[in-house]
Amino acid sequence: SAVISQKPSRDICQRGTSLTIQCQVDSQVTMMFWYRQQPGQSLTLIATANQGSEATYESGFVIDKFPISRPNLTFSTLTVSNMSPEDSSIYLCSARDGNSPLHFGNGTRLTVT
Amino acid sequence: KNQVEQSPQSLIILEGKNCTLQCNYTVSPFSNLRWYKQDTGRGPVSLTIMTFSENTKSNGRYTATLDADTKQSSLHITASQLSDSASYICVVRKGERDSNYQLIWGAGTKLIIKP
Repeated sequence: SAVISQKPSRDICQRGTSLTIQCQVDSQVTMMFWYRQQPGQSLTLIATANQGSEATYESGFVIDKFPISRPNLTFSTLTVSNMSPEDSSIYLCSARDGNSPLHFGNGTRLTVT
Repeated sequence: KNQVEQSPQSLIILEGKNCTLQCNYTVSPFSNLRWYKQDTGRGPVSLTIMTFSENTKSNGRYTATLDADTKQSSLHITASQLSDSASYICVVRKGERDSNYQLIWGAGTKLIIKP
């Protein structure tokens, strides 16, 4: 099963700044995704990171706020731009290949002050 | 509306005891249902998958059930251990084809095992 390394594991950022989260998978995978998880709530899909093309965003999420890159089949980044306290959350990278279950990184705990 | 509801929201039991977590869903068309375990500070990890034709499936001390008629699933943990302390998340896959499916996530049950 795929092993996903995500960094940073946590960060405290000031309002108005941006943070880029990196996600590295130890094998080539078809699909990579970015989720947000707030305490006591369901995981929310932000977008599907498409290799070689623009990400596919879910309703409520836009590219200007959450630009995503996926230059190859093992790596992706998510940037949280122009942050506000409402962006404080855990951001999770996930991946799957074929019909395998989703594999997740350990998340990035972001606090915006 | 496609929803996954889990109960209880949280649960505290003594080590060695059994417990059952519930998942009710209103997702259609139904493809499959997974239970994930999420330890604090970690990403979710798949425990088991239930397809439409499966009623019961075990994975060690974890036993999942599925009643597709009533759209209910349960996760039973036997002889709980301290390492079972985690959030357990129920996820239903909607849709029939791999290229066009959607995951509907429950909010999870936070389980605490006390010594």
